[in-house]
This record gives sequence, C-alpha cells and structure tokens, in this order.
Amino acid sequence: DSGVTQTPKHLITATGQRVTLRCSPRSGDLSVYWYQQSLDQGLQFLIQYYNGEERAKGNILERFSAQQFPDLHSELNLSSLELGDSALYFCASSVETGGTEAFFGQGTRLTVV
Amino acid sequence: GENVEQHPSTLSVQEGDSAVIKCTYSDSASNYFPWYKQELGKGPQLIIDIRSNVGEKKDQRIAVTLNKTAKHFSLHITETQPEDSAVYFCAASIGGGSQGNLIFGKGTKLSVKP
Repeated sequence: DSGVTQTPKHLITATGQRVTLRCSPRSGDLSVYWYQQSLDQGLQFLIQYYNGEERAKGNILERFSAQQFPDLHSELNLSSLELGDSALYFCASSVETGGTEAFFGQGTRLTVV
Repeated sequence: GENVEQHPSTLSVQEGDSAVIKCTYSDSASNYFPWYKQELGKGPQLIIDIRSNVGEKKDQRIAVTLNKTAKHFSLHITETQPEDSAVYFCAASIGGGSQGNLIFGKGTKLSVKP
C-alpha cells in the first residue's frame, strides 16, 4: 500500500458527461501529480499541484481541470467526456517537488460509453 | 518535446536468468531517474531510483546504472523469479528545477518463465 488513496476505483459514464476523480496524498506529502494511462500512450503527465498551487502542466486537455484543497487532497475534473477519454487515471504524491520519490495510488479506471 | 525511449517493449527470460531494460532520455536538465513496476490492476510501484550525481545504485537483486553523458540509464534484475513478471517503466524528471513531474518510457513487459 503506497498510502495514496484514489476514489472511485471504477467509473462508467456516458459521453458528454462530467466526472470528478479524488485523490488523498500520503500523509505529509505536499505535491500531487495526475497521470493518464492508456494502452497506446503509456503514462502521460497531466498536471502537478504543490501545496495548493499549480506547479506544472503537461498534456492536459482544456476540458480537464484539477485543484488541490487546503487539506492537500486533490480532485481531477473531466468534462464533456469523449470515448477517447477512457483510461486509467493515476494520482501520485511526493513530499517535495523537483525530483523526489513519487508514490502512486491504485488508479481510477474510467470507461466512457 | 522531451521524451524517454525504453527498450525492449517485451522481454521473456527463464527463472534465474538476468533481465536488462534500457532507457534513453532527451532532457539534459533531468536529474532524477526512477523505475516503477506495475502489476496487473495496480498502480506503478517505485522499485529503485538514481540521481544524476551517482553512476550506479544497487538494492539486492536490482541495480540501476546511469550514463549522463550518453543520456542512458538501465535496470538490471539478477536471479529473476516468477514474481518479477510485470510491466516496468523508466522515467526521467522534467527540468532540473522546481518541477517534479516525470516523463515515462512506454514500458517493458517482463515475463519470467518457471
């Protein structure tokens, strides 16, 4: 168990809908990262938050957004869902930023039908 | 953009043999190189990492080597066991500064045959 908790584990929704994925980082970790894992693209970095502030942005679509709350948990919001958004979404956390150990949660499997 | 190339994409070895997975990276500022193991239905698990000021690191049957000049790093698993079967990902930190996000290789599916 990495100590990173993601909910829900599975999510099935229809195209056009909006979902929210939740992540609780390891105790004491200030940095949260979101990654998307699909069969053809591997693990793609989406966005990073550090102590409530956005720190880095990767290949995140405009339909997607995230935030980190004062208690350091984070949410990833996906809207206007398309079939191609079906993937595993992982959250990872680390104590600091700038090249430190990152620990991954078990992921949320999103299926868009 | 920055990328990490990983080879091979699949690797099959006999139990007890060694396995080697190689990666190259493009960002000269990368200074942190972790390796993750992902089993079916689970999240990636950090198994070993190396920083740019070190050339080699070992942890029991697992070792990682780094050649910063050539921008190569490799994972070596000795005395492989069936439970080593999984997908392994290499990664490199993007930018040497405040960013902590990683860019991942496409993964190597390792199969260890009993």
